[in-house]
Amino acid sequence: DTAVSQTPKYLVTQMGNDKSIKCEQNLGHDTMYWYKQDSKKFLKIMFSYNNKELIINETVPNRFSPKSPDKAHLNLHINSLELGDSAVYFCASSHGGQASGGETQYFGPGTRLLVL
Amino acid sequence: AQTVTQSQPEMSVQEAETVTLSCTYDTSESDYYLFWYKQPPSRQMILVIRQEAYKQQNATENRFSVNFQKAAKSFSLKISDSQLGDAAMYFCAYTHNAGNMLTFGGGTRLMVKP
Repeated sequence: DTAVSQTPKYLVTQMGNDKSIKCEQNLGHDTMYWYKQDSKKFLKIMFSYNNKELIINETVPNRFSPKSPDKAHLNLHINSLELGDSAVYFCASSHGGQASGGETQYFGPGTRLLVL
Repeated sequence: AQTVTQSQPEMSVQEAETVTLSCTYDTSESDYYLFWYKQPPSRQMILVIRQEAYKQQNATENRFSVNFQKAAKSFSLKISDSQLGDAAMYFCAYTHNAGNMLTFGGGTRLMVKP
């Protein structure tokens, strides 16, 4: 019944490791996103995908690579984790494509990543 | 680039009272959308209210309403009859018509006193 789900909810790992966060939406939406919320609660867009194609890629280190196997899934792979990657990562989805603005975005529960 | 500013890092309100959270934004677009999201301690981001810039009428959702002043680029959220469950971080967000990324303000932590 969950609209946007993420796994895992918590992730604790060592510096230098590679990890993935999975996101799935069952809303039939065309667009999915990754946002990062830092320790000061500031939220910033990282990536946006529309129908499996990358639309937005903000200035994110190339250690972060999104992968969309189908339009219901958008996974986030992070290589060579650094201390500064510690944050909460949110997946979101919305109905419209790039041409349609203003669609409400529905968020997953977030994944808290802690890099030691 | 668009920016969203929430000038009140923290606010408190007595239960059953009314509180207004401020938000200003900067954009050169004429067609855009504004949102308020609530983030309780569970950290789930929950949509509170949405406003389309081309609509003059202020959006309302039950106890939540906005005061949208397009010329002033202001978008405040009023919570009436505050309840303990309203305690959360509130984020103002903006998106324009040509893309869908949300630009968020820094958030306002709302405390509700019983």
